[in-house]
Amino acid sequence: SQQGEEDPQALSIQEGENATMNCSYKTSINNLQWYRQNSGRGLVHLILIRSNEREKHSGRLRVTLDTSKKSSSLLITASRAADTASYFCATDVTGNTPLVFGKGTRLSVIA
Amino acid sequence: GAVVSQHPSRVICKSGTSVKIECRSLDFQATTMFWYRQFPKKSLMLMATSNEGSKATYEQGVEKDKFLINHASLTLSTLTVTSAHPEDSSFYICSARSRTSGYDTGELFFGEGSRLTVL
Repeated sequence: SQQGEEDPQALSIQEGENATMNCSYKTSINNLQWYRQNSGRGLVHLILIRSNEREKHSGRLRVTLDTSKKSSSLLITASRAADTASYFCATDVTGNTPLVFGKGTRLSVIA
Repeated sequence: GAVVSQHPSRVICKSGTSVKIECRSLDFQATTMFWYRQFPKKSLMLMATSNEGSKATYEQGVEKDKFLINHASLTLSTLTVTSAHPEDSSFYICSARSRTSGYDTGELFFGEGSRLTVL
């Protein structure tokens, strides 16, 4: 299965701390994306990193990709209570195929 | 960014009835939409790829006669859960790529989801 695996499954941190989530996948990809989901809501795209990229930044988000290890990490710096949500990685094999989602990490940021 | 609207957001129905969920791309044309199902605290599982003007492509294990998908126009795809059973209770989410924003990058735009409860 192409489905990614995130770890940890759940993460609880204090406001202001950094949160790191990891994702591993199984086959070659065109790109890897990270999404956020608030409870009972749809998903919001956070950042996309292509297979030929190693690191990408967007505001307080930093994503890395290691294709040799088939893994990615999402770092949220200076976390806020509003960052509390589930975070999913998703892989795209060709750049135009349905995304396959990992199991997600539930992040709780305590004020 | 591209907007995808999903309706209804919540629906409760009795066993044996059918429920239709609509997914609309509001400001772009979507030749392809994707339907996902999500169980509580679980990941999204792809059910099917909805193609405008043609039959949907279902993932292995998804009953096409149970989950009817129709993509009659470039802005609307519908998922009908037929003869619903309590085990069909779930969170259903549609998504699409926009040709003007996200198509070339692979980004998906998601509806807000529809929570189905079958009694």
